[in-house]
Amino acid sequence: AQTVTQSQPEMSVQEAETVTLSCTYDTSESDYYLFWYKQPPSRQMILVIRQEAYKQQNATENRFSVNFQKAAKSFSLKISDSQLGDAAMYFCAYRRGGADGLTFGKGTHLIIQP
Amino acid sequence: DGGITQSPKYLFRKEGQNVTLSCEQNLNHDAMYWYRQDPGQGLRLIYYSQIVNDFQKGDIAEGYSVSREKKESFPLTVTSAQKNPTAFYLCASSKSLAREQYFGPGTRLTVT
Repeated sequence: AQTVTQSQPEMSVQEAETVTLSCTYDTSESDYYLFWYKQPPSRQMILVIRQEAYKQQNATENRFSVNFQKAAKSFSLKISDSQLGDAAMYFCAYRRGGADGLTFGKGTHLIIQP
Repeated sequence: DGGITQSPKYLFRKEGQNVTLSCEQNLNHDAMYWYRQDPGQGLRLIYYSQIVNDFQKGDIAEGYSVSREKKESFPLTVTSAQKNPTAFYLCASSKSLAREQYFGPGTRLTVT
């Protein structure tokens, strides 16, 4: 079975600084997708970024970028120029290609210090 | 507005009662999903459906049932057989199983 591990239960960063959230996963599949979701206090899950395993280029979405290391099975999220609105739980998620639902990590609570 | 709606936001039930959580989407998505979230945990997959009248068990389907009679709707019934039903329940949908999932606002179920 696939597993997703987020080793940082909580991270804190100063506003305007950069922070990196870690995620590792375990799979024997070659075709899969990786995601980062944000869950603010409202508890709405919001898609931040996605990465296809077959793509070597790291995905970016404005201030959010990933460092995808396929051989190491690592998928970290970098948030640049952190803003107060970035404060939330961040979940790393995995899905096999073309099949079923998502497997989530336990999340990292990101605190933004003003 | 296109989106996913879940109602109600908060739901209270007595132990031993079945309860049905609503999930509706107007995104014309084919696939729909139900997840459960417990404190300090990530989401866990309960059931998913790729097309109308078809659905598959996820990782924690015991004590739950679903139906998919319409493309737009995927209700989840929490039965009295579910040992620990108190949780936050999230519904999601995607254009197909291969695409990213979008989530509804969730329903907080408390069973006492």
